[in-house]
Amino acid sequence: SQTIHQWPATLVQPVGSPLSLECTVEGTSNPNLYWYRQAAGRGLQLLFYSVGIGQISSEVPQNLSASRPQDRQFILSSKKLLLSDSGFYLCAWSRGSDTEAFFGQGTRLTVV
Amino acid sequence: GESVGLHLPTLSVQEGDNSIINCAYSNSASDYFIWYKQESGKGPQFIIDIRSNMDKRQGQRVTVLLNKTVKHLSLQIAATQPGDSAVYFCAERAGGFKTIFGAGTRLFVKA
Repeated sequence: SQTIHQWPATLVQPVGSPLSLECTVEGTSNPNLYWYRQAAGRGLQLLFYSVGIGQISSEVPQNLSASRPQDRQFILSSKKLLLSDSGFYLCAWSRGSDTEAFFGQGTRLTVV
Repeated sequence: GESVGLHLPTLSVQEGDNSIINCAYSNSASDYFIWYKQESGKGPQFIIDIRSNMDKRQGQRVTVLLNKTVKHLSLQIAATQPGDSAVYFCAERAGGFKTIFGAGTRLFVKA
């Protein structure tokens, strides 16, 4: 069966510090990968998606970047965090464009 | 731009009653719709999906109805249980890979 791992679960970082959140998928190959951000009590905003190694599409201009160095690894990064980067970050994968996405457990990021 | 919204931000139901969560979408080109359940502090879990060539789909205790004429989607939960308490999101996809989520409806189940 397929599983998705996302870490860390919680993170408190000072303003201006770098960020690296990692997500890996097991049990499937060539998944579509996604990073979402969820503000408190709100819906999910798509940040990045990837259909293959090294292929990243950005949905909104922001202080974040994403990379896919391996088929089942997706990384969300920032060189300098802003207070507004605080939120709940979710990684997800899907088999294709017309199938459901499976989500990781999320990372609660607090920038102080 | 495209948006997916919800009629009711919160819904409170008695245990054993049926729940109906509604969702409106604005992109007439959307052809795939998904309902997710999110419990506090966790990632969303897939509940049920429906493609635009259907108007109804049933799962275990859940039914999704799609009305393309008025661009409306609903999730019906039969015999609601305390474990159904969560935030429910509808989501749409208009081809490609971009899934747009609504703001969510919080369901409270009273024992």
